[in-house]
Amino acid sequence: GAGVSQTPSNKVTEKGKYVELRCDPISGHTALYWYRQSLGQGPEFLIYFQGTGAADDSGLPNDRFFAVRPEGSVSTLKIQRTERGDSAVYLCASSFGRGNYEQYFGPGTRLTVT
Amino acid sequence: GQNIDQPTEMTATEGAIVQINCTYQTSGFNGLFWYQQHAGEAPTFLSYNVLDGLEEKGRFSSFLSRSKGYSYLLLKELQMKDSASYLCAVREDTDKLIFGTGTRLQVFP
Repeated sequence: GAGVSQTPSNKVTEKGKYVELRCDPISGHTALYWYRQSLGQGPEFLIYFQGTGAADDSGLPNDRFFAVRPEGSVSTLKIQRTERGDSAVYLCASSFGRGNYEQYFGPGTRLTVT
Repeated sequence: GQNIDQPTEMTATEGAIVQINCTYQTSGFNGLFWYQQHAGEAPTFLSYNVLDGLEEKGRFSSFLSRSKGYSYLLLKELQMKDSASYLCAVREDTDKLIFGTGTRLQVFP
């Protein structure tokens, strides 16, 4: 498995519930990014990790969204008290490091909040 | 503010050439990327420009003019499999990508 993997591929949850989305980056990639994509739109930046620390979390829409990357590899995006407007495809990407490196995207997690 | 504009939809014929334009206004600039995205799949990297000029890679070429805030993606010898969305994205100073809404290209036989 050389690519970025994300689990689950699909998640259906009820409004108000808590969800966790997981991302496994490409081995050796120190930079990890979360985006979300609504139908017919381009990906929207959420948060960027360099190693274990969040280098830029300016895209997180509110404090219901939180992400961690405790060991500098796998990352988890956590959404509390989900709302119907959170429904989207959540994409994870990784890159070799800072600078002008290509970002490799995972297949995404499709989140549906009912 | 941040603004990236590209046409919503385009159509073309198999074997033809198509140019997808992108204009941008961002608070920082550290390169422009083009990604291809087939329906239901992840975006895949096509090209990267940081200096003015044309970058050619097989059937695909990408052009950048930083002074004009303008880029285009040129696809030659179109194939049916080129039917996809094409995303223009600007890398800002903190490495995050700001994407346009994407251009949905349909190639007809």
